[in-house]
Amino acid sequence: EAGVVQSPRYKIIEKKQPVAFWCNPISGHNTLYWYLQNLGQGPELLIRYENEEAVDDSQLPKDRFSAERLKGVDSTLKIQPAELGDSAVYLCASSSTPWAEQYFGPGTRLTVT
Amino acid sequence: AQSVTQPDIHITVSEGASLELRCNYSYGATPYLFWYVQSPGQGLQLLLKYFSGDTLVQGIKGFEAEFKRSQSSFNLRKPSVHWSDAAEYFCAVGRPDAGGTSYGKLTFGQGTILTVHP
Repeated sequence: EAGVVQSPRYKIIEKKQPVAFWCNPISGHNTLYWYLQNLGQGPELLIRYENEEAVDDSQLPKDRFSAERLKGVDSTLKIQPAELGDSAVYLCASSSTPWAEQYFGPGTRLTVT
Repeated sequence: AQSVTQPDIHITVSEGASLELRCNYSYGATPYLFWYVQSPGQGLQLLLKYFSGDTLVQGIKGFEAEFKRSQSSFNLRKPSVHWSDAAEYFCAVGRPDAGGTSYGKLTFGQGTILTVHP
């Protein structure tokens, strides 16, 4: 069984540019999470989806961040415009139900210069 | 709001030695507790979790953790460390959301980096 797939794995952009991250969860997993992991820190939840619905986006900085999960499968996280402080690893995770184990992807490491 | 403290940023042990990684949490009710491991360039992998019941929890890769309510702790242990255990370890706490439909938002500690000497 394939795990959570994320792309790209690495991204370097200049500040004020837009960037997008893509996540393909494990097949059949209805719950999808996006986390932000700063260097030397644990992950912090940005948004949680149940199928197509964002059920918890309270930590998502909505002035520059957006996310979507069309058709309740793949998800895209976008930043526009990127700032220097957005340099971090962006992790996607999925689970079969909200109470089940979360499986994490390898993450996308973003560097904003 | 819940919080998690991992007092040790970096621990070094010799291969074959025992290991204990500390985790303290702050939460008003009985929390849902987790330990994850992250190898370089990899995503997090769940080692074990505690929801209720027996306070000594067995996990994968020979790890175990003990929930101690009186000390607000959930320390991770392994009797004999292998070189492949070198990684970063995260403790996390979750709590049910208002609707009881999930264990809610996970709050992670800062992580403990484990180095294993041969």
